[in-house]
Amino acid sequence: GAGVSQSPRYKVAKRGQDVALRCDPISGHVSLFWYQQALGQGPEFLTYFQNEAQLDKSGLPSDRFFAERPEGSVSTLKIQRTQQEDSAVYLCASSSRGTVLEAFFGQGTRLTVV
Amino acid sequence: SQQGEEDPQALSIQEGENATMNCSYKTSINNLQWYRQNSGRGLVHLILIRSNEREKHSGRLRVTLDTSKKSSSLLITASRAADTASYFCATPGKYIFGTGTRLKVLA
Repeated sequence: GAGVSQSPRYKVAKRGQDVALRCDPISGHVSLFWYQQALGQGPEFLTYFQNEAQLDKSGLPSDRFFAERPEGSVSTLKIQRTQQEDSAVYLCASSSRGTVLEAFFGQGTRLTVV
Repeated sequence: SQQGEEDPQALSIQEGENATMNCSYKTSINNLQWYRQNSGRGLVHLILIRSNEREKHSGRLRVTLDTSKKSSSLLITASRAADTASYFCATPGKYIFGTGTRLKVLA
């Protein structure tokens, strides 16, 4: 596609439910990033992939968060046993470079845990 | 925790005025980027400035970088209502973002 696509745009989950958020990066982009953005805050880094390799997952807040990119294209961020503090917008970005320069962002998935 | 800090946190100006926002960061960088985020939308890349550049222009945008002070500024000239958004600076590595400046341009 022409841009980074994320789905769903909005997700309401009951506390304790598992959720899966999808990111379709720009075709051919090697780098993919996930961020978490709380209301009124800047995006916080979660994890980074280069192709299918997850090179950095230091930003994942707990072992309930898991991300994968098995074929080096589409990525899924999974959150198990969601908690209210997980409510945020989850942003995905991709870049044609092997570094973080000039990444393109998707519109995000707004997760609300009730 | 976030590496960059933008100030002011919020700015309200009249259409046609200039808007200046600043960003400070903590560690040495090779480049710095500014992004815009409209309400409920993703981030849009505005401009990248490298550490060997002091100033860069793009349309109505002017970015400066002072590596000795570890700071950058973004100037939007002749602002328009459509410039209303949050503006973030980002430094590489883990692509760390600041907390943003919320700009409101009044028509």
